[in-house]
Amino acid sequence: DAKTTQPNSMESNEEEPVHLPCNHSTISGTDYIHWYRQLPSQGPEYVIHGLTSNVNNRMASLAIAEDRKSSTLILHRATLRDAAVYYCILRDGTREYGNKLVFGAGTILRVKS
Amino acid sequence: DGGITQSPKYLFRKEGQNVTLSCEQNLNHDAMYWYRQDPGQGLRLIYYSQIVNDFQKGDIAEGYSVSREKKESFPLTVTSAQKNPTAFYLCASSIRGISTDTQYFGPGTRLTVL
Repeated sequence: DAKTTQPNSMESNEEEPVHLPCNHSTISGTDYIHWYRQLPSQGPEYVIHGLTSNVNNRMASLAIAEDRKSSTLILHRATLRDAAVYYCILRDGTREYGNKLVFGAGTILRVKS
Repeated sequence: DGGITQSPKYLFRKEGQNVTLSCEQNLNHDAMYWYRQDPGQGLRLIYYSQIVNDFQKGDIAEGYSVSREKKESFPLTVTSAQKNPTAFYLCASSIRGISTDTQYFGPGTRLTVL
């Protein structure tokens, strides 16, 4: 599985946008970029995923570089509830079964009020 | 409400005892998974199951066993052979099991072996 690199931690002010970067220089053409987040003492939850085009949903936006070697998760207005560990994960779109989520250390997002 | 339930939330056991962690889902998902998380680290896959009566080892299956007798249930047994069982255990499910399926996680069980 191709690997991802994320900053260890980031800090944001409440009500401001947050841009969480992820580098994946060895990404293959069939790898999807997924983001999950994990709030303290809870299970991870899905945030968003994309392949080539930028994606938006009610939680966040995903901006994917043209060469796909990096991507950015955008939280448009951070709230205290967004404080969590954010994981950027690559998933091979050609693999049929046995797919696992390969979690790295992720980025710890702290939100200040 | 549809979702995944894990029980208990906290579990304490003496060293050398087997312990079974419960995972139930009412999402009608075919695939289920067990992950382990150690402090400050990401999740690692223990076992997964694509369909009833079938399951496969993940990356760290040694010292664990599972069963999948019903679609909605996927219990995990931590045996005495697991050398370092104290951890946060997370169960997940997905509609099928292909790589683009979203995985939905339960709230987790924190196991402490004394």
